[in-house]
Amino acid sequence: NAGVTQTPKFRVLKTGQSMTLLCAQDMNHEYMYWYRQDPGMGLRLIHYSVGEGTTAKGEVPDGYNVSRLKKQNFLLGLESAAPSQTSVYFCASSYLFPGRRDTEAFFGQGTRLTVV
Amino acid sequence: SQQGEEDPQALSIQEGENATMNCSYKTSINNLQWYRQNSGRGLVHLILIRSNEREKHSGRLRVTLDTSKKSSSLLITASRAADTASYFCATESGATNKLIFGTGTLLAVQP
Repeated sequence: NAGVTQTPKFRVLKTGQSMTLLCAQDMNHEYMYWYRQDPGMGLRLIHYSVGEGTTAKGEVPDGYNVSRLKKQNFLLGLESAAPSQTSVYFCASSYLFPGRRDTEAFFGQGTRLTVV
Repeated sequence: SQQGEEDPQALSIQEGENATMNCSYKTSINNLQWYRQNSGRGLVHLILIRSNEREKHSGRLRVTLDTSKKSSSLLITASRAADTASYFCATESGATNKLIFGTGTLLAVQP
């Protein structure tokens, strides 16, 4: 039972390079999220998706793009990496409790990205 | 800006003592959740309290919610060294079910 899997776990990029972070979940969850975690800042929502084919901006979307072509996958893209994007990135997925509007999120183990 | 602010930022206690951490938020919510993060790991859901609830218990955890003050507290009773972790509150608001997290409290439980 894999849950939420992020690839890669570590990456070093040069300024201006591009990359895609992959998040995969095997729980058939509708909702998926990308967060970044920086010291003293907690987790900040980058983008999220409420279902296959949908995406929406979070708190800090600039410099990132996302796609949700398949329900189980949520991709986060950096088109031109900047040192300010050095961070730990977490993906999460969640489901709606039956008959309720509440969700509980399940997190991946994180991707540590350094932009030099 | 982030929805939740946690207080204190860091807390150090002895094993067996109780730990209390607080969360304040800015807008009306559907529910508030608490998560735990061990160093270098992803977050794990602990407990959820809905906006029409005032208190909830789960094992050694007790959560309260005061919507008039837009605040919540998490109490961990009889703490153990294994409780050492960062604790985050998160709120769900509106119809989008997006989770917005606070800045977290780093709890250190000394054996």
